[in-house]
Amino acid sequence: AQSVTQPDIHITVSEGASLELRCNYSYGATPYLFWYVQSPGQGLQLLLKYFSGDTLVQGIKGFEAEFKRSQSSFNLRKPSVHWSDAAEYFCAVHSGNTPLVFGKGTRLSVIA
Amino acid sequence: GAVVSQHPSRVICKSGTSVKIECRSLDFQATTMFWYRQFPKQSLMLMATSNEGSKATYEQGVEKDKFLINHASLTLSTLTVTSAHPEDSSFYICSARGRDRVRYNSPLHFGNGTRLTVT
Repeated sequence: AQSVTQPDIHITVSEGASLELRCNYSYGATPYLFWYVQSPGQGLQLLLKYFSGDTLVQGIKGFEAEFKRSQSSFNLRKPSVHWSDAAEYFCAVHSGNTPLVFGKGTRLSVIA
Repeated sequence: GAVVSQHPSRVICKSGTSVKIECRSLDFQATTMFWYRQFPKQSLMLMATSNEGSKATYEQGVEKDKFLINHASLTLSTLTVTSAHPEDSSFYICSARGRDRVRYNSPLHFGNGTRLTVT
């Protein structure tokens, strides 16, 4: 069965600092990988997705993620965090024929 | 940990019939539930947000008369696809957020999804 692990429940970074949110997945083949963000009171917003091809994926709001097959990881990065990035981030995976499977999420706090 | 149970996981129905999907929070009170639609190989589309005891807020382009959402209790929300058509075939996923005493929202939990096939 597919599973997604986000090891960090809560991360606090200073504004302007770099960010990396970890995501590991368990799946037999190469899955479709997604990162979503949810701000308070909002629904999920897609940041980026990986289906195939270049393993470094660029998303919205300056985010990027790198698919590493050998590590079964799809970590989300941003070189310089803004206060408005404070939110909850979810990594998700599916095979194309199954519902999305989500990680438990990482809450990001940004301090001045 | 908190669990959201979504039922059924898979349903096949004939065109013109209605299908009800349930989303239950098993060990927490879900004050807000989100209903999403997912097409294969696509990301999620938020359909509506429902708060316990009030009417659901539908996203633009989602027919509220076709996709009936009820959030009558703190542990149950239902999505009814009325007069289903083959183009309604999709995955439907619910997520729930519970009460929290602090300002920030409590964790968001996801159901395992329902695969609807309309023949």
